[in-house]
Amino acid sequence: EPEVTQTPSHQVTQMGQEVILRCVPISNHLYFYWYRQILGQKVEFLVSFYNNEISEKSEIFDDQFSVERPDGSNFTLKIRSTKLEDSAMYFCASSEGDRDNSPLHFGNGTRLTVT
Amino acid sequence: AQSVAQPEDQVKVAEGNPLTVKCTYSVSGNPYLFWYVQYPNRGLQFLLKYITGDNLVKGSYGFEAEFNKSQTSFHLKKPSALVSDSALYFCAQGGKLIFGQGTELSVKP
Repeated sequence: EPEVTQTPSHQVTQMGQEVILRCVPISNHLYFYWYRQILGQKVEFLVSFYNNEISEKSEIFDDQFSVERPDGSNFTLKIRSTKLEDSAMYFCASSEGDRDNSPLHFGNGTRLTVT
Repeated sequence: AQSVAQPEDQVKVAEGNPLTVKCTYSVSGNPYLFWYVQYPNRGLQFLLKYITGDNLVKGSYGFEAEFNKSQTSFHLKKPSALVSDSALYFCAQGGKLIFGQGTELSVKP
């Protein structure tokens, strides 16, 4: 069964550094998402992406964050200047249709640790 | 504001017994409801969804969920629990896909 893959599985970075989290969504999916899960807390929506542009974003997704689909297969999340509170598990997801009708398929996540 | 609540942080059942994981949803929010499961060090996996129609929805791995409009609930159920069902379960409401805080299910042999 096709899977969403995320790399790296664990990223350690220093505060203030830029990080790029990478995702390869399922190939025939059209909608892409990033969620994050701070340890012990609920899964939070960050951003959705469709037709090469952001379709929706949460209040968490501020100017420090950006997403890109650089080559038709990868979907990246960039954090420009990381803060300690950015430490979390970041999940990429994709779906065939929009979230109301199509289940999301999640990757295994990237654990980001900011020191 | 749209919200999903899972009132129990943890549910413990014995293998072979029925299990229920509770969820209540926001009336003002999107009516589409979902259950996802998360195994350790893995992403969330879709179990089932309610869009419209029958109030009892059947999903993966023998799970089902009952939509109750009067109680604004969407509880996850399974008639006979397995040890392998032990995981973190999340209820979610459609639109922005707002997740509940999760319930840790522990099934003991």
